[in-house]
Amino acid sequence: GQNIDQPTEMTATEGAIVQINCTYQTSGFNGLFWYQQHAGEAPTFLSYNVLDGLEEKGRFSSFLSRSKGYSYLLLKELQMKDSASYLCAVRDSNYQLIWGAGTKLIIKP
Amino acid sequence: IAGITQAPTSQILAAGRRMTLRCTQDMRHNAMYWYRQDLGLGLRLIHYSNTAGTTGKGEVPDGYSVSRANTDDFPLTLASAVPSQTSVYFCASSEGLAGGNEQFFGPGTRLTVL
Repeated sequence: GQNIDQPTEMTATEGAIVQINCTYQTSGFNGLFWYQQHAGEAPTFLSYNVLDGLEEKGRFSSFLSRSKGYSYLLLKELQMKDSASYLCAVRDSNYQLIWGAGTKLIIKP
Repeated sequence: IAGITQAPTSQILAAGRRMTLRCTQDMRHNAMYWYRQDLGLGLRLIHYSNTAGTTGKGEVPDGYSVSRANTDDFPLTLASAVPSQTSVYFCASSEGLAGGNEQFFGPGTRLTVL
């Protein structure tokens, strides 16, 4: 079966750095996405990786290793507004997204 | 303002009733999707449409039907609602299926079936 694993919850301090990991086992691979979802709101796109390596976008970076079935989202200079759930999703061989359950990130002052 | 709208925002429905959730996008995106999101689970695809006039089944299609008569609208119908269909429903769209085409999400419909 297809499976996306990510930690249920993480806590970090304002101004610090946090890394959210995602491991996947899917039927085929056509890219990996990270989305942010604030409580009670819709998911919004953060990043896309299809080749191995690091993609940097401001305070957020995303890394992919296809051979290991592994990705991480790195958030720097954490702000209180970064408190949200972070969703990892893999596009499979049918070009459909398979979603992880999300990691709830709690930022403390 | 470009984007996706969903209606209603929330609904309480008696079991056995028929219900249609509406979704409209104005970005002229080819692909549209319906997901449900339940606590502790990832988003699960119910149905999708790659382009107007075509639809396909996702991971959890039973009890739901969709239609795609035009590019903009993608309604989701529950023929006879059951309590297990209590969930938050998100409609999404993307320009295409491949590459870095991100999915844009509507604000969601919170449905409670009693």
